[in-house]
Amino acid sequence: NAGVTQTPKFRVLKTGQSMTLLCAQDMNHEYMYWYRQDPGMGLRLIHYSVGEGTTAKGEVPDGYNVSRLKKQNFLLGLESAAPSQTSVYFCASSRVGVSNQPQHFGDGTRLSIL
Amino acid sequence: QQQVKQSPQSLIVQKGGISIINCAYENTAFDYFPWYQQFPGKGPALLIAIRPDVSEKKEGRFTISFNKSAKQFSLHIMDSQPGDSATYFCAASTGSTLGRLYFGRGTQLTVWP
Repeated sequence: NAGVTQTPKFRVLKTGQSMTLLCAQDMNHEYMYWYRQDPGMGLRLIHYSVGEGTTAKGEVPDGYNVSRLKKQNFLLGLESAAPSQTSVYFCASSRVGVSNQPQHFGDGTRLSIL
Repeated sequence: QQQVKQSPQSLIVQKGGISIINCAYENTAFDYFPWYQQFPGKGPALLIAIRPDVSEKKEGRFTISFNKSAKQFSLHIMDSQPGDSATYFCAASTGSTLGRLYFGRGTQLTVWP
């Protein structure tokens, strides 16, 4: 039972490069989320999706794009990476979002932008 | 604007002691208050959660105390163990936020033997 799987686990980019982070869940969850975690800042929501083909902005969406072409996958893209995007990125998923549904997290992607 | 404020940022407790982490919120529409536990190199995982219709919820050594009038809730870890050393996040959500959680900034707990 894999749950939420994030790839890659680590990546180093140069400023201006682009990349895509992949999140896959096998729990048939409708909702998926991308967060970034920085020291002392907690978990900040970047974008989220309430279903296949739908996305919405979270708290810190600038510099990121997302796509949800398949229910089980949620992609986070950085078109032109900047050092400020150095962070640990977490993907999460949950069942249809009544307020008492827990979010299940992957183990993160550690991204460094030089 | 931070929706959920968490304190302290770090906490050091002796083995067997009680660890207490506090959170406060302003949005009275919040109706679900989970706590997540995160070990180094791992993603957060749900530890325990409470709804505002109860004032306390206990699961093993972990207890949430909830004060609706003060808009505060706290996590108590009784008989703290070195294996409890982790980062703890409080969070809140409403039924209208489509599952979206608003997280506190986290507390790094260290339990020393």
